[in-house]
Amino acid sequence: SQQGEEDPQALSIQEGENATMNCSYKTSINNLQWYRQNSGRGLVHLILIRSNEREKHSGRLRVTLDTSKKSSSLLITASRAADTASYFCATDAGGNTPLVFGKGTRLSVIA
Amino acid sequence: EAQVTQNPRYLITVTGKKLTVTCSQNMNHEYMSWYRQDPGLGLRQIYYSMNVEVTDKGDVPEGYKVSRKEKRNFPLILESPSPNQTSLYFCASSSPTGGGTGELFFGEGSRLTVL
Repeated sequence: SQQGEEDPQALSIQEGENATMNCSYKTSINNLQWYRQNSGRGLVHLILIRSNEREKHSGRLRVTLDTSKKSSSLLITASRAADTASYFCATDAGGNTPLVFGKGTRLSVIA
Repeated sequence: EAQVTQNPRYLITVTGKKLTVTCSQNMNHEYMSWYRQDPGLGLRQIYYSMNVEVTDKGDVPEGYKVSRKEKRNFPLILESPSPNQTSLYFCASSSPTGGGTGELFFGEGSRLTVL
């Protein structure tokens, strides 16, 4: 099954800096989603970007999608210690196919 | 409050002792799914259900059973648990839109240890 691969696996930044995480996938998608997971907790949906969209914003989050390169990026601006979490991309091929998750990027924001 | 509820949240059991992890959602979602999360392997789908009485295997279905008799409930059954099923399990649900799965709502997880 197709799977998003996040890069880097781990990222450590200072509070106030921007954090960028990337996701690459293998086959055509209907949409791509980003989720956040605090340690040991359930995943929380952040943003969904459809295959015909190139950029989407939500608060301090900015997501881009390049279907020609089969890649997406998640930018968190002005990071806070509370942004410390794992971030996952998930690809949706549409129809009855299930959502498939990558292995995640672990972000640490140091105060 | 919209939520997905899993029980139990923590369980320690022994090899071969049948157990059921329940999952219930109050959002009238058609789609429900079970994932397991293991270090270094990310989230892997076990089973999913597009609607009542419709279930399909995910990537790692061996050793698990599910049923979808009611829209709100999607229990995960381990008939004869083994130590390799020690994991963190998540149930999720959504209302598929735009031809895809849609935004998933996750439960808080069930940490299972099989001795």
